[in-house]
Amino acid sequence: KQEVTQIPAALSVPEGENLVLNCSFTDSAIYNLQWFRQDPGKGLTSLLLIQSSQREQTSGRLNASLDKSSGRSTLYIAASQPGDSATYLCAVYTGANSKLTFGKGITLSVRP
Amino acid sequence: NAGVTQTPKFRILKIGQSMTLQCTQDMNHNYMYWYRQDPGMGLKLIYYSVGAGITDKGEVPNGYNVSRSTTEDFPLRLELAAPSQTSVYFCASRFDDGTNTEAFFGQGTRLTVV
Repeated sequence: KQEVTQIPAALSVPEGENLVLNCSFTDSAIYNLQWFRQDPGKGLTSLLLIQSSQREQTSGRLNASLDKSSGRSTLYIAASQPGDSATYLCAVYTGANSKLTFGKGITLSVRP
Repeated sequence: NAGVTQTPKFRILKIGQSMTLQCTQDMNHNYMYWYRQDPGMGLKLIYYSVGAGITDKGEVPNGYNVSRSTTEDFPLRLELAAPSQTSVYFCASRFDDGTNTEAFFGQGTRLTVV
């Protein structure tokens, strides 16, 4: 059974800091990995999708990398801003019909 | 662009009542999913569908039923609501032609069973 772990559960950083959010998964036979953002009381917004053949994806200040062999992904946020405060969730596509398995998320707080 | 639309946004049910959570997508996606999100527990898959007429159980299907009569709609039925079903429910969809495209989520339905 696929398990996805995101540690730490919460992170607080000062504005302007570059930061890395980690995601690990137990079964390396994944199809894709997707990072989401969730604001309090809201739905999930897709940030980046990395296909299994790719090593990384970039969107603005966000860069996500994938290392299937080690079962790890990182989300790099450059020059963090208070507006980046949210919960960041990692999900992997595995198994028949590519079901998504989620980590519990990292709640990020960026202090002004 | 509506995307994935869930109704209602909020609902309070009494123990033993039934209700249907609605989910509609306008992107012609073949795959649809229902998840529940509990505090500190992440998202758990309840049911999913790979196309009209085809549904299958996820990780936590007990107490729920689904149907997929059209590509657009994937309602989730709660029979005999229990306090353990208090949660936030999310519907998601994606198009799969073998390339595993990204999933899109609705805004969620917050359900309280009292």
